[in-house]
Amino acid sequence: GNSVTQMEGPVTLSEEAFLTINCTYTATGYPSLFWYVQYPGEGLQLLLKATKADDKGSNKGFEATYRKETTSFHLEKGSVQVSDSAVYFCALSPSNTGKLIFGQGTTLQVKP
Amino acid sequence: GAGVSQTPSNKVTEKGKYVELRCDPISGHTALYWYRQSLGQGPEFLIYFQGTGAADDSGLPNDRFFAVRPEGSVSTLKIQRTERGDSAVYLCASSLGGGGDTQYFGPGTRLTVL
Repeated sequence: GNSVTQMEGPVTLSEEAFLTINCTYTATGYPSLFWYVQYPGEGLQLLLKATKADDKGSNKGFEATYRKETTSFHLEKGSVQVSDSAVYFCALSPSNTGKLIFGQGTTLQVKP
Repeated sequence: GAGVSQTPSNKVTEKGKYVELRCDPISGHTALYWYRQSLGQGPEFLIYFQGTGAADDSGLPNDRFFAVRPEGSVSTLKIQRTERGDSAVYLCASSLGGGGDTQYFGPGTRLTVL
């Protein structure tokens, strides 16, 4: 079946620290991979995506590379800010389908 | 422009009652999705519409749950004989087309079944 596993949170970092949130997946076929973010009091919004192996998605200083050999899509940012504090969800969309399958979410708290 | 809207934002009901949750997608988006998010979990897929028809309803947990999209725009998720375990945030999303198009999420309806 299709599933997504994220590292458990919460993750607490100081401002300007390096961020990695691990995400691995199980899927049949060739899924697309996504990172969604939910800021406090706001709805889910797409952060970045990658649609095929070795693609790198990037946005707002965040990036993730679609690694088929390790079935991973780890989220990274070189220098986090307090405003990055949010819940981050890794997700996949199985081949030729519309639905998203989400991980359980990882809470990031950045302290000044 | 206007995003995805959902009404009501909060709904409290008693066990055994019937509820309807409404979703207004972004204008022109042909695909519409319903998800359910329990506390501390990621959203769980329920159903996907392409136009007026349900393209994939494999996530509906049982026959108490039903969704319609009669004119290919607004959608209603209907839950019969609600149970306490149905308490969750129900999210709606829409995308321009199906497949891998970016999904835009609404703010959700928080359903509490007492």
